[in-house]
Amino acid sequence: GAVVSQHPSWVICKSGTSVKIECRSLDFQATTMFWYRQFPKQSLMLMATSNEGSKATYEQGVEKDKFLINHASLTLSTLTVTSAHPEDSSFYICSATAGGPAGWQETQYFGPGTRLLVL
Amino acid sequence: AQSVTQLDSHVSVSEGTPVLLRCNYSSSYSPSLFWYVQHPNKGLQLLLKYTSAATLVKGINGFEAEFKKSETSFHLTKPSAHMSDAAEYFCVVSERTDKLIFGTGTRLQVFP
Repeated sequence: GAVVSQHPSWVICKSGTSVKIECRSLDFQATTMFWYRQFPKQSLMLMATSNEGSKATYEQGVEKDKFLINHASLTLSTLTVTSAHPEDSSFYICSATAGGPAGWQETQYFGPGTRLLVL
Repeated sequence: AQSVTQLDSHVSVSEGTPVLLRCNYSSSYSPSLFWYVQHPNKGLQLLLKYTSAATLVKGINGFEAEFKKSETSFHLTKPSAHMSDAAEYFCVVSERTDKLIFGTGTRLQVFP
């Protein structure tokens, strides 16, 4: 149980185009979803937190107009990289929690990640 | 502010020998601590978590970690390494919020 999928797993795009990445919770309802970015040989950095039906909360230094996050349902969140540039090339990972009595200590379940390459 | 330091970027062991992956944390409050494993082309998988209950935490695949407040450490151990344990391991801290702070990772290599 508790499977999170991401689509696509790989995407290559031209500079200036927009790319949408989907994150789905397959067997549970995700009250909260998170988007991370991972640079090569570095750690994961939280970009934003989104709750279903609410605006996402972005971490300091993350451009909300560039990284659009939509959490329209309890099983789907999307990250759109607008007007992508080569410096946006990275590995993007989402995670989700089901909510529950443990509150903020609920386990986050991670997707397999999406590798973005902007040419 | 909370932070995590993984003391080794690479650890190499022989199959069947013990594994020790070191992690130190910094937190103003009683934190929750986690170890996640990342295999190539797969999502991060939770190995174990500490949430202020027993200080010795047992996880999946024979891994365990001990929370030592006096040493601000949460080292991950396994008595006998298996080839399938080769992966990237992340120590993670969370402090009264669902925001996770990741360490820089330790790549574990297991030689036959």
